[in-house]
Amino acid sequence: EADIYQTPRYLVIGTGKKITLECSQTMGHDKMYWYQQDPGMELHLIHYSYGVNSTEKGDLSSESTVSRIRTEHFPLTLESARPSHTSQYLCASSELDSGEETQYFGPGTRLLVL
Amino acid sequence: GIQVEQSPPDLILQEGANSTLRCNFSDSVNNLQWFHQNPWGQLINLFYIPSGTKQNGRLSATTVATERYSLLYISSSQTTDSGVYFCAVVGGGGADGLTFGKGTHLIIQP
Repeated sequence: EADIYQTPRYLVIGTGKKITLECSQTMGHDKMYWYQQDPGMELHLIHYSYGVNSTEKGDLSSESTVSRIRTEHFPLTLESARPSHTSQYLCASSELDSGEETQYFGPGTRLLVL
Repeated sequence: GIQVEQSPPDLILQEGANSTLRCNFSDSVNNLQWFHQNPWGQLINLFYIPSGTKQNGRLSATTVATERYSLLYISSSQTTDSGVYFCAVVGGGGADGLTFGKGTHLIIQP
């Protein structure tokens, strides 16, 4: 199992604030991902990275941005939070191993924007 | 993009019962995973299974890639099995991110 950490676990913040959600993994995986999940719904890919200095947008349009300066770290930033950003954000990582590429997920950050 | 459909959407069972959850997908896949999301939102890996059959304790899964479906079997259900079960795939031609189905919400009653 991969060890993936996300902070904060819960965040309540006012409209217009800048926020950064942290994601770190200790397994040295090259690939990392961010997914967004609204309550009671499925997850949607919003960003992914194949390695350092690589970032791509996912299937779901998002106003957030990401960076990948270090292999183990993949933070997500919202420059100006809005109530529509209220959701759960889950980070994942993966690496091909013996022909299998399992994605492992962190515990998630629940964001509430007032 | 690839479509993933899960059935049934909701399932209520008594403790000790067996269940079968189904996942249909619309195109060939490079990756198929089953997850259990617990009440705290944590996604727990159950199986990586783009083809074939695997078993882990009371859980097993079978994917028939040529017919584009996967089944998750839960035997002798326990209340701790409650939660949402997601099937997620990576399509053959797309990015490596997972496309999720809408999940099956399972409630196991004591």
